[in-house]
Amino acid sequence: NAGVTQTPKFQVLKTGQSMTLQCAQDMNHEYMSWYRQDPGMGLRLIHYSVGAGITDQGEVPNGYNVSRSTTEDFPLRLLSAAPSQTSVYFCATSALVANYGYTFGSGTRLTVV
Amino acid sequence: DQQVKQNSPSLSVQEGRISILNCDYTNSMFDYFLWYKKYPAEGPTFLISISSIKDKNEDGRFTVFLNKSAKHLSLHIVPSQPGDSAVYFCAALIQGAQKLVFGQGTRLTINP
Repeated sequence: NAGVTQTPKFQVLKTGQSMTLQCAQDMNHEYMSWYRQDPGMGLRLIHYSVGAGITDQGEVPNGYNVSRSTTEDFPLRLLSAAPSQTSVYFCATSALVANYGYTFGSGTRLTVV
Repeated sequence: DQQVKQNSPSLSVQEGRISILNCDYTNSMFDYFLWYKKYPAEGPTFLISISSIKDKNEDGRFTVFLNKSAKHLSLHIVPSQPGDSAVYFCAALIQGAQKLVFGQGTRLTINP
């Protein structure tokens, strides 16, 4: 049982490049979300989804796109990377009926130069 | 506007003593509160939670206290152990809204 799997673990991008951060879960959780962690800022919600075909914006959505075509996968796309997007990105999932214990992936450390 | 605040970036405690981590929130609509623990290079892991209908919840060495009138919660760890050294995040949500809001985190160091 893998839980929440994020790939890649590390990535360096040049300004203007695009990439997709992958998140896959095998727990059949309806809810999936993306957070970014920055020093002194805690974790901030980027986008989230309550089920396949349904997505919504979080606190800091600008510069990021998401889609949810299956229950298992919730990719995060950076269309044109900027240095301000240098951060550690975490995917988190939960069952909608349970308001506790969100399961987090191990993170993707992204550097934009 | 930071809705959940952890005003102490770091805390150092001697092994065996009590660790108290504090968290304040501004949104009175929050009705569920959680604490997460994070080790370097890992994702946060759930530690303990409390509903707004309670003022205390215990789980082994960990106790969370909620003071709704002061919009304040705290995490007590007794006794503190070296493995407790980590970053602790306080988080809050409105049940049904599914948007977990985190504080900035407090780095706890347990000294032998």
